[in-house]
Amino acid sequence: DSGVTQTPKHLITATGQRVTLRCSPRSGDLSVYWYQQSLDQGLQFLIHYYNGEERAKGNILERFSAQQFPDLHSELNLSSLELGDSALYFCASNLNRDEETQYFGPGTRLLVL
Amino acid sequence: DAKTTQPPSMDCAEGRAANLPCNHSTISGNEYVYWYRQIHSQGPQYIIHGLKNNETNEMASLIITEDRKSSTLILPHATLRDTAVYYCIVSAQNNDYKLSFGAGTTVTVRA
Repeated sequence: DSGVTQTPKHLITATGQRVTLRCSPRSGDLSVYWYQQSLDQGLQFLIHYYNGEERAKGNILERFSAQQFPDLHSELNLSSLELGDSALYFCASNLNRDEETQYFGPGTRLLVL
Repeated sequence: DAKTTQPPSMDCAEGRAANLPCNHSTISGNEYVYWYRQIHSQGPQYIIHGLKNNETNEMASLIITEDRKSSTLILPHATLRDTAVYYCIVSAQNNDYKLSFGAGTTVTVRA
């Protein structure tokens, strides 16, 4: 158990819909990272938040957005969903110190029908 | 983009050592080598990392060549629970700490 929690575990929705994925980092961690893992693209970095502020963006679509709240939990919002958005979405957390590893949550499996 | 090359798959006998190679010929001086693994769609799990020196922890050993262009992850006594995809990642302290995963090596431990 990494100490990172993600909800929901599974999500089934239809094309065109909007969903919100939630991540609670390990106690004390200030950084949250979001990754997407699809069958054809592997694990890809989406976005990084540190203490409420966006720090870096990766291959995140404009239809996707994220935020980190004062209590440090983070939400990833996916809108206008397409079939290709079906994937595993992981969040990870750490203190963002040099050399520090990332601790991954169990993921949310999204299926868009 | 991933800057490492790993074999796509390898088998290992239970109880034997598993040696997983990784090439990172374009590694920069400030980049660390990290190893993570992912067991059947679970969240990736950190194994070990290093900069120049060989490293060992309770899970594995990491051997980095002197020129730092390649490394080997050693699982000393593989068990069936070590069956997973193993990712070798190079990451610098100044790239905002994001991890760039490649395809990894699928390791199957056989009884």
